[in-house]
Amino acid sequence: DIQMTQSPSSMSVSLGDRVTITCRASQDIGNYLSWYQQKPEKSPKLMIYGATNLEDGVPSRFSGSRSGSDYSLTINSLESEDTGIYFCLQHKQYPYTFGAGTKLELK
Amino acid sequence: EVQLVETGGSLVQPGKSLKLTCATSGFTFSNAWMHWVRQSPEKQLEWVAQIKAKSNNYATYYAESVKGRFTISRDDSKSSVYLQMNSLKEEDTAIYYCAAAFAYWGQGTLVTVSS
Repeated sequence: DIQMTQSPSSMSVSLGDRVTITCRASQDIGNYLSWYQQKPEKSPKLMIYGATNLEDGVPSRFSGSRSGSDYSLTINSLESEDTGIYFCLQHKQYPYTFGAGTKLELK
Repeated sequence: EVQLVETGGSLVQPGKSLKLTCATSGFTFSNAWMHWVRQSPEKQLEWVAQIKAKSNNYATYYAESVKGRFTISRDDSKSSVYLQMNSLKEEDTAIYYCAAAFAYWGQGTLVTVSS
């Protein structure tokens, strides 16, 4: 199975901060990588697909990038509505696997 | 508006069966590759199963943890996908989500396996 190692597991951040969350894939997944935001008691919401593509309706302060087997989600100028848990998902190879999640909280 | 609504979750004893339903609307269901994903009480997400479209011969795929116990199916005439869960174990306790191409997700249905 492909392991998705996500870091950090949690972050305490301030409004206006630039935030970066990373997932490292244990095998080649190309750009078959998506990022999700999950709010309490809600289902995951797609933010980034194909590693770098912004889903419709997602604010432009969110961006995705790739460097080798490292995939990053960056939030520029954090807003209060950006708190929650963020997950990555690889859908290159079965079984599809998720990162363990990054909990983003305000200081 | 895209909608996915899961139903069928409940409290069930170990070894018993349960069938989940995901009713959808607002997109071309017949073309969509559908998934079931579950989230444990510890918030970890786990992909459970996938069923492809008719054009892909309705091919199905499963996580090793559920293979042989769970069956995913679909009814394109009802824009619905199903998850038949047999021989349930306590570790199957989770919120079960259906997802269309991992882009659209339902609100989830809670399955609790406990004696």
